[in-house]
Amino acid sequence: DIVMTQSPDSLTVSPGERATINCKSSQSVIYRSNKKNYLAWYQQKPGQPPKLLIYWASTRESGVPDRFSGSGSGTDFTLTISDLQAEDVAVYYCQQYYNTPRTFGQGTKVEIK
Amino acid sequence: QVQLQESGPGLVKPSGTLSLTCAVSGGSMSPCFWSWIRQPPGKGLEWIGYIHYSGSTDYNPSLKSRLTMSIDTSKNQFSLNLSSVTAADTAIYYCARHSLRGGEFDYWGQGTLVTVSS
Repeated sequence: DIVMTQSPDSLTVSPGERATINCKSSQSVIYRSNKKNYLAWYQQKPGQPPKLLIYWASTRESGVPDRFSGSGSGTDFTLTISDLQAEDVAVYYCQQYYNTPRTFGQGTKVEIK
Repeated sequence: QVQLQESGPGLVKPSGTLSLTCAVSGGSMSPCFWSWIRQPPGKGLEWIGYIHYSGSTDYNPSLKSRLTMSIDTSKNQFSLNLSSVTAADTAIYYCARHSLRGGEFDYWGQGTLVTVSS
């Protein structure tokens, strides 16, 4: 199984500041055939299902604000939330879809100061 | 807009079978993959397995011996059966669609809490 490890487990950020979440996979999630990273980011607010934010490691899902950005390749990835808003308070998960079993990071809780 | 809705008993007895159905509306089940994912209260996400519209399946090895998934494209729904449940199977169970791009989960149901208790 590919193990996904996120850091930190939680962070508190002032409104308007930047939040950075890291995700490391235990093996590369790049497909040689298309050079794409099979890595997604989700946002989960209390009482709601996860919501897809980013796929292919860096492509925003339709309707996702551009303050959310993804970067990285291979085994190391980052989700950045610039200009943090109150509505961004949530738990964020990375997930690999390179192979099965699909696996998620343990989650990073983002709170506002 | 694709919508998914889980249904099934909210309480299952230990050693019993957990059975859930996910109804899909607003789109065809073809040619997609459909997954079940669960989340114990206050914890992270665990992928259970997927079923393709053709009926082929792939299960998490940690659950494989207890797991059966099925699909009924005529009714636009797919199902999960998890046998020999224990308290460790208590969780919110979500159904989700794999995107046609590459397989990330682009649509999710609201989730249903299943408690295993006598």
